[in-house]
Formats: sequence, C-alpha cells, structure tokens
Amino acid sequence: SAVISQKPSRDICQRGTSLTIQCQVDSQVTMMFWYRQQPGQSLTLIATANQGSEATYESGFVIDKFPISRPNLTFSTLTVSNMSPEDSSIYLCSVGTGPYEQYFGPGTRLTVT
Amino acid sequence: GIQVEQSPPDLILQEGANSTLRCNFSDSVNNLQWFHQNPWGQLINLFYIPSGTKQNGRLSATTVATERYSLLYISSSQTTDSGVYFCAVDHGSSNTGKLIFGQGTTLQVKP
Repeated sequence: SAVISQKPSRDICQRGTSLTIQCQVDSQVTMMFWYRQQPGQSLTLIATANQGSEATYESGFVIDKFPISRPNLTFSTLTVSNMSPEDSSIYLCSVGTGPYEQYFGPGTRLTVT
Repeated sequence: GIQVEQSPPDLILQEGANSTLRCNFSDSVNNLQWFHQNPWGQLINLFYIPSGTKQNGRLSATTVATERYSLLYISSSQTTDSGVYFCAVDHGSSNTGKLIFGQGTTLQVKP
C-alpha cells in the first residue's frame, strides 16, 4: 500500500476564487487520479494525472475548470477554478500500486460560499 | 457505460448481527474493489476481488464474475463498522485504473 497525504484537509472559499489541492505519496507510483464526491453522493472520476504530460479528463470535466499538474511520480495538484457553490465537495486523490489495487488519500473537504 | 448497483442503499443493524451487501455490475470487469468510507470521509481499501473469495477477519467477499455480482459479508458487526460501503469496478479490456463507483450502502451499527 501507499501513504497518501492531501493539503489542505478542508477549506472554505468565496465564489469566484480558486483553490489548489496537493497530493503527496510516499513512494513512486505509476497511476494517480482525482475524484470528486459531492455531498451525499458517490465518487466520480475527474481525471487521470499523467506524469510529464497533460491530464486525461473524463466526460463532464474540463482543463480550464480543473487544471492538474503532475511534475513527478510522487506529487500532483488539482486546482478548482472560478469556484461556485456547486463545487462544494470532497476532492480525493488516489494512486494505483501495482498491479491493480487503488488507495485513496484522506480527501479535501471544500465549501464554497 | 457500465452500471454498478449496490443494495441495500441503507442498513441498520444491532451490534453483533451479520449482514450481506451486494454489488451488481452490468458488464465484465477486470478489477473490483470494496471500500469502507468512515464517518470522517476516509476511504479504506477492504478487498481487491475481481473473482473468487477472500476473507479478512470478520469481513469476507465473494465475486462471481460470470454472473456479474459481488457480495461483502460482515459478521459480528461492531459500531466501528458504521459508514458507507462502496463497490468500484474497472471496466474495459485492460486495467486502466479508472474506477466506477456504485452508489454505496450506508451502514449504521447500533450499540
């Protein structure tokens, strides 16, 4: 398994602003992903964070709204841009450790007012 | 796309009782995992089980891939078992790592 940390753990932000969430893993991993969990809902995949190239976004998610960086095999950031109250969610990063299992970070609980 | 359905949506148990949670999926999968989300939001990996049976303490899981379902058994439930249980699958010809989650079963264990 991998030890995953996220910063911040929670934040309250004003609408129209942006927040960058960091995900740090204690070992090099091939696969990193970002998920969103809206209040009372299940998890939805936002994108795959690719090291050294642009992230791969799922249907309904776009780079302008959720830019992602992955500068190396242990770190990634997700930015939630131009936030609205509908962006209030838990944002989770996950990593795939060989070959198939995935592990999740503790999540970032975002409230947009 | 693939559909992942979990049942029941909600479950209330008395401490010490046993329970079975079900996950049905509409197409073949190459990865199936069960997670427990505790009341603080942390997702805990319970089982990686695309087929067969596994046991870990009071928990066990069985996946019958040919019939497209998986079961999670919780025996002698404890209050710390409370939370949401998710089934998630990776669909496709190869393991992409992209998980599709069911809607979850919310379990409350009363003392």
